[in-house]
Amino acid sequence: EPEVTQTPSHQVTQMGQEVILRCVPISNHLYFYWYRQILGQKVEFLVSFYNNEISEKSEIFDDQFSVERPDGSNFTLKIRSTKLEDSAMYFCASHRLAGDTDTQYFGPGTRLTVL
Amino acid sequence: GQQLNQSPQSMFIQEGEDVSMNCTSSSIFNTWLWYKQDPGEGPVLLIALYKAGELTSNGRLTAQFGITRKDSFLNISASIPSDVGIYFCAGPVINYGGSQGNLIFGKGTKLSVKP
Repeated sequence: EPEVTQTPSHQVTQMGQEVILRCVPISNHLYFYWYRQILGQKVEFLVSFYNNEISEKSEIFDDQFSVERPDGSNFTLKIRSTKLEDSAMYFCASHRLAGDTDTQYFGPGTRLTVL
Repeated sequence: GQQLNQSPQSMFIQEGEDVSMNCTSSSIFNTWLWYKQDPGEGPVLLIALYKAGELTSNGRLTAQFGITRKDSFLNISASIPSDVGIYFCAGPVINYGGSQGNLIFGKGTKLSVKP
């Protein structure tokens, strides 16, 4: 069964450093998302991406964040200068059709730890 | 904005017992979703509900879409140890214009099952 994959599974970084989290969505999916989950809290929407541009973004997704689909398979989230409060699980999700927002497939997540 | 209030926050039950958890919102949702998250994993969709009043089952899981479209519940019958995890309700944000967007999540119900 096709699945969303994410790398790395765990990233440890120093405050102020840049990190890039990588996702490979399901191959025929067209809509891509990043969510984050601070330890013990709910999953929160960061950004959605379609047709090589951002569709929606939350207030969490400030100028320190950017997303990119550099090729036909990868979808990346970059945090330019990490802060302690960026420590969280980051989940990538995708779906194929515009009406399928309710059937987003989630990756296993990347745990980001900012020291 | 739209928010989901989920209860209870946690449950500690004996194997074989039935479980019930619910989710309410101050605003209407057109779709209700129930996800399960195992430790270190991404959310996995359990049940999707599309119509007010709809009752849907998936094995030992049963979920209902409230008639007011502002609530939903999830029941698990005859719980087993592998039911342990965090259960989230979620729903697509309704954008201006009526289209569905990113998912918003409740804070989760943490289920512990004692063998």
